[in-house]
Amino acid sequence: SQTIHQWPATLVQPVGSPLSLECTVEGTSNPNLYWYRQAAGRGLQLLFYSVGIGQISSEVPQNLSASRPQDRQFILSSKKLLLSDSGFYLCAWSTGTGMYEQYFGPGTRLTVT
Amino acid sequence: GESVGLHLPTLSVQEGDNSIINCAYSNSASDYFIWYKQESGKGPQFIIDIRSNMDKRQGQRVTVLLNKTVKHLSLQIAATQPGDSAVYFCAENGSNFGNEKLTFGTGTRLTIIP
Repeated sequence: SQTIHQWPATLVQPVGSPLSLECTVEGTSNPNLYWYRQAAGRGLQLLFYSVGIGQISSEVPQNLSASRPQDRQFILSSKKLLLSDSGFYLCAWSTGTGMYEQYFGPGTRLTVT
Repeated sequence: GESVGLHLPTLSVQEGDNSIINCAYSNSASDYFIWYKQESGKGPQFIIDIRSNMDKRQGQRVTVLLNKTVKHLSLQIAATQPGDSAVYFCAENGSNFGNEKLTFGTGTRLTIIP
């Protein structure tokens, strides 16, 4: 069966510090991968998605970047965090076969202080 | 741009009663819709989906209804239980053919009253 992992689960970082969040998927090949941010009490905002290794599409201009160094690894990064980067970050995957259903990881709670 | 909106941000239902969560969508090109349940501090979990060639689909205690004429989607939960308390999101595929992106609504918080 397929599983998706995210780490760390929680993170507290000062303003101006770098960020690296990691997501890995097991049990599937060539998935589409997604990074979302969720502000408290709000909906899901798509930040990045990837249809293959090295292929990243950005949905909104921001202080973050994403990379996909391996087929089932998706990384969210920042060189200098802003207070507005605080939120709940979710990674998701879909089969890449036109099925649309996305499967979410457990999320990372980021607090920028 | 496209958006998926929810009529009610919060909903309280007595345990054992049925609940209905509504969702309006704006993109007439959408042909796939999905409901997710998100418990506090966790990632969203798939509940049920429906394609535009259907008006109704049933799962275990849940039913999704799709009215394409008025661009309306609803999730019915039968005989609600305390574990149903969560935020529920609807999502649509919009015009995102080929990349499987979904557009999410803002969510409805469902509270089950014991």
